[in-house]
Amino acid sequence: GQQLNQSPQSMFIQEGEDVSMNCTSSSIFNTWLWYKQDPGEGPVLLIALYKAGELTSNGRLTAQFGITRKDSFLNISASIPSDVGIYFCAGLENAGGTSYGKLTFGQGTILTVHP
Amino acid sequence: DGGITQSPKYLFRKEGQNVTLSCEQNLNHDAMYWYRQDPGQGLRLIYYSQIVNDFQKGDIAEGYSVSREKKESFPLTVTSAQKNPTAFYLCASSTAGQGRSDYGYTFGSGTRLTVV
Repeated sequence: GQQLNQSPQSMFIQEGEDVSMNCTSSSIFNTWLWYKQDPGEGPVLLIALYKAGELTSNGRLTAQFGITRKDSFLNISASIPSDVGIYFCAGLENAGGTSYGKLTFGQGTILTVHP
Repeated sequence: DGGITQSPKYLFRKEGQNVTLSCEQNLNHDAMYWYRQDPGQGLRLIYYSQIVNDFQKGDIAEGYSVSREKKESFPLTVTSAQKNPTAFYLCASSTAGQGRSDYGYTFGSGTRLTVV
């Protein structure tokens, strides 16, 4: 199946620093999604990107859908301790123009924020 | 409030036993999915269903079985044929909109299965 390469695998930062992570794919996706997972819980959707080149913000989070449709990045500005968790990118294969289908996930970026 | 409920939260299984993980949603979503999560890896798709009484294998379906008799329910059975079943299992559901921008793909809180 398709694979997503997410980097970095882990990050250790100080509170207040900005964070950047990205995902690349060997094939094209129609939709890119970014999720955050807290320990022992399911992932929660942060940002969804539907068009190539799209740049979307959600509070301190900003994500972009690459022009080639094979990559995406997520930035977190002014990190705070509650940003700790695992961040996943996911690419969606749409079938027939519908907005549901199989998600392919990156390996995740483990973020640790030191106060 | 609408959402997805997975139960139990923790499950212990003896080797050779089958176990069934429950997933129920009241979001009126058409599609439901099961993912497996292992440490250091992304989520991997086990099975998915886009409509009642129909489901498809994902990338790692061997040793698992599912049913979709009701729109709200998508139980996963981990059979004795699954050689390494210890993992965190996540159920999800999504809307079936036609190119809608309010795409919905919601996860449950997961079930941690441990073989003892």
